[in-house]
Amino acid sequence: QKEVEQDPGPLSVPEGAIVSLNCTYSNSAFQYFMWYRQYSRKGPELLMYTYSSGNKEDGRFTAQVDKSSKYISLFIRDSQPSDSATYLCAFYTTSGTYKYIFGTGTRLKVLA
Amino acid sequence: DAGVTQSPTHLIKTRGQQVTLRCSPISGHKSVSWYQQVLGQGPQFIFQYYEKEERGRGNFPDRFSARQFPNYSSELNVNALLLGDSALYLCASSLAVGPTEAFFGQGTRLTVV
Repeated sequence: QKEVEQDPGPLSVPEGAIVSLNCTYSNSAFQYFMWYRQYSRKGPELLMYTYSSGNKEDGRFTAQVDKSSKYISLFIRDSQPSDSATYLCAFYTTSGTYKYIFGTGTRLKVLA
Repeated sequence: DAGVTQSPTHLIKTRGQQVTLRCSPISGHKSVSWYQQVLGQGPQFIFQYYEKEERGRGNFPDRFSARQFPNYSSELNVNALLLGDSALYLCASSLAVGPTEAFFGQGTRLTVV
């Protein structure tokens, strides 16, 4: 079983839609949960960062963590064409060694 | 307000050659991590350095090595290049080695022919 599972998409939605992006994980040692956005041929950009179960909101973005189910989500409200990118979930662990582990990324396309 | 800078942005190497990639972290950040990102995949962790010491290592062969300098900049070296080493190499900067936000550079795109 892979440590992180993320649907690669692509996911196409109309402008203004609510987008839901999800990752599941298997490692209970994951302590911190992040979402990055990556535009084509660019480095990832941190969007959201949290360490506890529950919801965290930042503008049009909401990150949700359910540690009991080992499931995290990113919701994008009022999606815009500029949101078209690959969204990567990421986890931080100190189990064995300090490291970040990324999902494979979900490609999102918001259609104008 | 300079972010993470990486050099070079692109390079092409031949199989068997050696390559050195460079990274300058955000001012005040003492930790640098290196990642390999193959097209269509998420970044794979290679190394993390903090205060010039290796603090984390991913599942990469010994052909990959890195170091961090007193000014916190870092180099990633890859010896005996293979075609499969072709990827985007990302450097991430963070304040410390603990669980904290990492900020990525634009990456170095390495092509091995």
